[in-house]
Amino acid sequence: DIVLTQSPATLSLSPGDRAILSCRTSQGVSTQLAWYQHKPGQAPRLLIYDASNRATGIPARFSGSGSGTDFTLSISSLDPEDFAVYYCQVRSQWPTFGGGTKIEIK
Amino acid sequence: QVKLVESGGGLVNPGGSLRLSCAASGFTFSDYYVSWIRQAPGKGLEWISYISSLSNSVEYADSVKGRFTISRDNAENSLFLQMNSLRVEDTAVYYCARDTPDIDVVSAATVAAAPDAHDIWGQGTLVTVSS
Repeated sequence: DIVLTQSPATLSLSPGDRAILSCRTSQGVSTQLAWYQHKPGQAPRLLIYDASNRATGIPARFSGSGSGTDFTLSISSLDPEDFAVYYCQVRSQWPTFGGGTKIEIK
Repeated sequence: QVKLVESGGGLVNPGGSLRLSCAASGFTFSDYYVSWIRQAPGKGLEWISYISSLSNSVEYADSVKGRFTISRDNAENSLFLQMNSLRVEDTAVYYCARDTPDIDVVSAATVAAAPDAHDIWGQGTLVTVSS
């Protein structure tokens, strides 16, 4: 089974900062990776699919990159609404999520 | 408006059963795979099951295999999860999520144009397994 490792577990940043989140997979997955944002009490929201494609309605400050086993989600300038938990996901035989990275207010 | 709404959660004793429902609206439900995904308290997201458009392909995570059954009624735009032999560790918020379009019912071009991801989620329903 594929294992997804997200780092860091927590990022302490301020509004306006740049955020860089990492997701590493135990096997190569080409570009079959997605990123989601999840806030408490809300439905998770798809941000990025196929490693670098922004989903409908997602602001341009969110960008994804990578292929193979190493992937990055970047948020160019944190908006107050961006403080949340972020998950990567691959779709091999069945969907698998990483453990998440929490972006908290510094 | 594209929407998924879960229902059926609640408190149940260990060993008990519960049936979750998910009502879809605003899109052609029968064109899509759909999944159940859960989040236990203080934990991350865990995919637990998916079902194809025509119900001819289903998969389960090992953690629920043999205890949970996914099904759908395309005429009613509804997804279900029958949960039996519930354990304390099944306590979680359960989400239904739209998956990819099904190549068996839509064109290859439609599949290629859609996100290969869970692009629509419900708000979730809480299942608590406790005595």
